[in-house]
Amino acid sequence: EAGVTQFPSHSVIEKGQTVTLRCDPISGHDNLYWYRRVMGKEIKFLLHFVKESKQDESGMPNNRFLAERTGGTYSTLKVQPAELEDSGVYFCASSLGFVGSPTGELFFGEGSRLTVL
Amino acid sequence: AQSVAQPEDQVNVAEGNPLTVKCTYSVSGNPYLFWYVQYPNRGLQFLLKYITGDNLVKGSYGFEAEFNKSQTSFHLKKPSALVSDSALYFCAVRDVYNFNKFYFGSGTKLNVKP
Repeated sequence: EAGVTQFPSHSVIEKGQTVTLRCDPISGHDNLYWYRRVMGKEIKFLLHFVKESKQDESGMPNNRFLAERTGGTYSTLKVQPAELEDSGVYFCASSLGFVGSPTGELFFGEGSRLTVL
Repeated sequence: AQSVAQPEDQVNVAEGNPLTVKCTYSVSGNPYLFWYVQYPNRGLQFLLKYITGDNLVKGSYGFEAEFNKSQTSFHLKKPSALVSDSALYFCAVRDVYNFNKFYFGSGTKLNVKP
């Protein structure tokens, strides 16, 4: 069974440009999460989808970030326009059930490294 | 505020020696604590968790962690390190109000030398 896949693995863009990151969760996982790690610091929560609905987007830094999950399958995270401080590694994770439930184990992708010059 | 802290950016240990990766937490109420590992070019993988019960939790690959409420710590341990344990380790605590939200530490790079 395929794990969580993220694309691209690395993106280098200039300040002001737009980048779209994609996450394909494990098939059947209703819960999808985005996290990011900036400058080797903590991994921080961005948002949580249940199917196509945003359950919690309290971690989204500002309105330059837009996450979607059309049809409740894959998700995209768009940064427009990108700023230098957006550089980091963006992780996607999915789970079958809610965290804490017997089916709530989180499965992470390898991450998408974003470099903004 | 809820958080975890990993005070060491890097831990170096010789193969066969015991290892400890430190983590302290700050949370109101009972903490749900986790350890994840990231091997090079891989996603984060679950190692173990503490929810309640025995303070010594056993996990994957021979790792264990000790929950200490008085010291608000959840240190990761292994009796005998392997070179293949070299990786990045993250401690995390689950939000007490929003169960689907984790607070991760900044990570500790473990280097196990042959």
